[in-house]
Amino acid sequence: GAVVSQHPSWVICKSGTSVKIECRSLDFQATTMFWYRQFPKQSLMLMATSNEGSKATYEQGVEKDKFLINHASLTLSTLTVTSAHPEDSSFYICSARGDQGSYEQYFGPGTRLTVT
Amino acid sequence: AQSVTQLDSQVPVFEEAPVELRCNYSSSVSVYLFWYVQYPNQGLQLLLKYLSGSTLVESINGFEAEFNKSQTSFHLRKPSVHISDTAEYFCAVSEAGYSSASKIIFGSGTRLSIRP
Repeated sequence: GAVVSQHPSWVICKSGTSVKIECRSLDFQATTMFWYRQFPKQSLMLMATSNEGSKATYEQGVEKDKFLINHASLTLSTLTVTSAHPEDSSFYICSARGDQGSYEQYFGPGTRLTVT
Repeated sequence: AQSVTQLDSQVPVFEEAPVELRCNYSSSVSVYLFWYVQYPNQGLQLLLKYLSGSTLVESINGFEAEFNKSQTSFHLRKPSVHISDTAEYFCAVSEAGYSSASKIIFGSGTRLSIRP
């Protein structure tokens, strides 16, 4: 089956610093990748949708200058949390969708970000 | 736009008892419906999906869900649960068909806890 990985799985950073999270599709080409945020005991909230080679589309209320998304290749998307603050602490999950005409998304295992 | 409502945030049941996790959706267009499962400390996994055709869909581990268009529901059922079914279950919806803008909207999740 299609596999999506995320790195790192867990990161701790100091307030004011930036942190980058990688999302890779290991055995398929992901034309579209999605980034979600999940608070403890809550659902996944879609943050943004990115198509390879174009700018990400952010959901309402998500600061695009704070959450920088790059989808430079068909197998890699990155989410950079800039000037992180404790309220940015959360579980970040990516998903990837392959070929045109495919509805299914494959989810990564998630990255837990803790900002101190 | 689509939305999903999972009325039960937690469902405790005894092992080998039947269970139903409720899900209702709202949409002005045709939809695809999904159930995802998140086991403790793991990523999301697709449990089953409804795209078209038979309204009753089944998973390999004994779960089933029935699409009811008139009631806009997609409840998840299992006749006899096991300890290993302990997890968070998310109902999700997306617009039917494919477009680069298609996205999955998740419900708030239901925590299924199995008691021995």
